Amino acid sequence: QKEVEQDPGPLSVPEGAIVSLNCTYSNSAFQYFMWYRQYSRKGPELLMYTYSSGNKEDGRFTAQVDKSSKYISLFIRDSQPSDSATYLCASKGAGAGSYQLTFGKGTKLSVIP
Amino acid sequence: DVKVTQSSRYLVKRTGEKVFLECVQDMDHENMFWYRQDPGLGLRLIYFSYDVKMKEKGDIPEGYSVSREKKERFSLILESASTNQTSMYLCASNRGGGGNTIYFGEGSWLTVV
Repeated sequence: QKEVEQDPGPLSVPEGAIVSLNCTYSNSAFQYFMWYRQYSRKGPELLMYTYSSGNKEDGRFTAQVDKSSKYISLFIRDSQPSDSATYLCASKGAGAGSYQLTFGKGTKLSVIP
Repeated sequence: DVKVTQSSRYLVKRTGEKVFLECVQDMDHENMFWYRQDPGLGLRLIYFSYDVKMKEKGDIPEGYSVSREKKERFSLILESASTNQTSMYLCASNRGGGGNTIYFGEGSWLTVV
């Protein structure tokens, strides 16, 4: 079982819709959780970063982590065509030797005008 | 802002050629990474380095080597390129210690013919 599972989509929504993107993870040692956005033929860019359980909001984006169920979510309110991209979730342990992130495979989102 | 620069965005190489992909980061990060990204397979770690002249194999090191002679520079080497190494290659870096997320370059698209 891969440590971070993510539905690849594709997901297509009308402009203005609320988008919910989700991941599950299996490693209880993960403490840090990130969402990256990747436009076509570009490198991933960090979108949201959270530590442990809880919510974090940044403009139209909300990241949510539920460590009890090992569930990671990203919500996009009032979605825009410019939000069309692939979204990658990632998780990381907290130890000094935890160099790496474990990534989901990404969900491709299209927001239709 | 963190800047990870991959010098070559698009390359076409012949089978059997030696290929160098160069990456430079400007934030004095201890850790540097090379990933490849393929449709349906997500991001896969090739090698990472946690210090100058130090390297660790990732998930798919076969057919690749790396070099880190200076802290800011991390090179990926394909000793004898093959068609199954046609892919997008992503360099990334982060600060040492726990809790530090990864910053990516724009990617290098390599086609081996």
